[in-house]
Amino acid sequence: EAQVTQNPRYLITVTGKKLTVTCSQNMNHEYMSWYRQDPGLGLRQIYYSMNVEVTDKGDVPEGYKVSRKEKRNFPLILESPSPNQTSLYFCASSFGGGTQIYEQYFGPGTRLTVT
Amino acid sequence: SQQGEEDPQALSIQEGENATMNCSYKTSINNLQWYRQNSGRGLVHLILIRSNEREKHSGRLRVTLDTSKKSSSLLITASRAADTASYFCAMREVNTGFQKLVFGTGTRLLVSP
Repeated sequence: EAQVTQNPRYLITVTGKKLTVTCSQNMNHEYMSWYRQDPGLGLRQIYYSMNVEVTDKGDVPEGYKVSRKEKRNFPLILESPSPNQTSLYFCASSFGGGTQIYEQYFGPGTRLTVT
Repeated sequence: SQQGEEDPQALSIQEGENATMNCSYKTSINNLQWYRQNSGRGLVHLILIRSNEREKHSGRLRVTLDTSKKSSSLLITASRAADTASYFCAMREVNTGFQKLVFGTGTRLLVSP
């Protein structure tokens, strides 16, 4: 089954404790992206990756890191989480290429609470 | 970058009625997509309309795009209780990085049996 998986689905942590949210897709998609969703603000893009070893900042990259060492995986790293990073996080992937943009497939979400 | 604005923020209708939601944006776009999100879950792609298209259909969905007014609308005909969800427009702006999507704030649709 074609899917995007995220782990963990729920996480409660404390300020400053490094964490990683994993994202994996089995559709051989070139493009992957991370979003956060907050009430009243919609989805905002954190980082995206056009392919292996190619990443770029979205609209709200501060406090986050990403890496794309393999095509299928795109982990989101919070080196020192703060309470304002409490949010619902989504990973997404799609085919990519040139100037085209295709439908994105979303993971089920990770609800993160930083106390 | 801009964010799409959706109108209304919330919409409550009866089964069988049509639901129309609108998305407005500020800068030029290459294409615009609509997504559905069931409560707290991942978004599901519904339809994509390119900047050179004016209307597109998919089942009970009809999307229009008016680039002169910088707006798009999503019409769901003969709505069902299962259509209850939040709906988001997402657009790729011209002259931004490839594959950079900007989402609207969403419309919450409630369809009552």
